[in-house]
Amino acid sequence: DTAVSQTPKYLVTQMGNDKSIKCEQNLGHDTMYWYKQDSKKFLKIMFSYNNKELIINETVPNRFSPKSPDKAHLNLHINSLELGDSAVYFCASSQAAGPGDTQYFGPGTRLTVL
Amino acid sequence: GDSVTQMEGPVTLSEEAFLTINCTYTATGYPSLFWYVQYPGEGLQLLLKATKADDKGSNKGFEATYRKETTSFHLEKGSVQVSDSAVYFCALSDLGQNFVFGPGTRLSVLP
Repeated sequence: DTAVSQTPKYLVTQMGNDKSIKCEQNLGHDTMYWYKQDSKKFLKIMFSYNNKELIINETVPNRFSPKSPDKAHLNLHINSLELGDSAVYFCASSQAAGPGDTQYFGPGTRLTVL
Repeated sequence: GDSVTQMEGPVTLSEEAFLTINCTYTATGYPSLFWYVQYPGEGLQLLLKATKADDKGSNKGFEATYRKETTSFHLEKGSVQVSDSAVYFCALSDLGQNFVFGPGTRLSVLP
């Protein structure tokens, strides 16, 4: 059983398109996150949701919009894709949003914008 | 703001060699500290963590001790294996619900 799953695993698209990445966790966690990992493996948090409410919203273009229909899902929609959006996007979840809480990561979605 | 610095590598070792990957941090409070590992083509997995000063986290032969006086959390393993080849990330989490990762250190272990 996959704890944190993401779809699709690979996404290749043209500049200017709109795309979504889905994330689901079956751990019963309250908090979910989206991270972007660039080509140099640098990992940066984008968003965090706790019980469907946004708690962290880092400096991310407003073309990126997270949506949390329920505690187990956090989807990422990206409008007007740009070349610089090419990266691996990771979803993660944790029991709560406290400092000692372990984050569990999904397998990643590799987005390539042509 | 909070930050994590770690040796960027790549680090190349022979099997059974001793491993140290340095990690230092800056934070305003008393964060929890983590080491995550990313195997090729996979997501990050928690390797070990420590939530307060002088705590030692350990797992799979890896160890790291939370040193408040030197703001460090260095990762060590006495004898690495080829299967340890991966990217290792040091990270911190503070009371502000901020989770910050270091740049990652790529480790290659040769047979």
